[in-house]
Amino acid sequence: QSALTQPASVSGSPGQSITISCTGTSSDVGGYNSVSWYQQHPGKAPKLMIYDVNSRPSGVSIRFSGSKSGNTASLTISGLQAEDEADYYCSSYTSSSTYVFGTGTKVTVL
Amino acid sequence: QVHLVESGGGLVKPGGSLRLSCAASGFTLRDYYMNWARQAPGKGLEWLSYIDGSGSIKYYADSVKGRFTISTDNAQNSLYLQMNSLRADDTAVYYCARWVTGASGMDVWGQGTTVTVSS
Repeated sequence: QSALTQPASVSGSPGQSITISCTGTSSDVGGYNSVSWYQQHPGKAPKLMIYDVNSRPSGVSIRFSGSKSGNTASLTISGLQAEDEADYYCSSYTSSSTYVFGTGTKVTVL
Repeated sequence: QVHLVESGGGLVKPGGSLRLSCAASGFTLRDYYMNWARQAPGKGLEWLSYIDGSGSIKYYADSVKGRFTISTDNAQNSLYLQMNSLRADDTAVYYCARWVTGASGMDVWGQGTTVTVSS
């Protein structure tokens, strides 16, 4: 159960768009439409931002969107805002009927 | 409001045991899959285990299989994690989280409880 691979950090200026990748294998990301994304501010619990690859829970800004191609899922944040500065984690169901998180990405708003 | 509150964390010696609790309010535990996840200091999230509403389906991460046991008490509307043979690398903040019904994602999280394993 190796963690999914994410870039350690991504940065952008206010108003810009950024994309965070999440790379797994055909046994997790590539095999199921069961990718979710979480935002975590320092000292806080994670917050669900995207589920089932590209669905947004109610209350989550439309600036957040998800997609998947092959073994790589992506989270795009459009119109970057200061409040988006946080850590982001992807997660996927696996062929072992378990779940795995990504390594995490720190988003910095310049 | 929907709420999850963890408790039971603390300082324990290597090889010791601890039982974490997660009290649910605003919804009925038996209607959902529930998870435990953890985050070691300065590290990323790690999924640990999930259980279905009936308590009959349970899965564990390899890192805790055979040492940790997940369970529920529907009368108490609570989720538990029995942790045995604790090691220093089990030191982390432990979170319980609710699974979105019929979808893939954890939509409600507790605030976490801290477990420190040290002699």
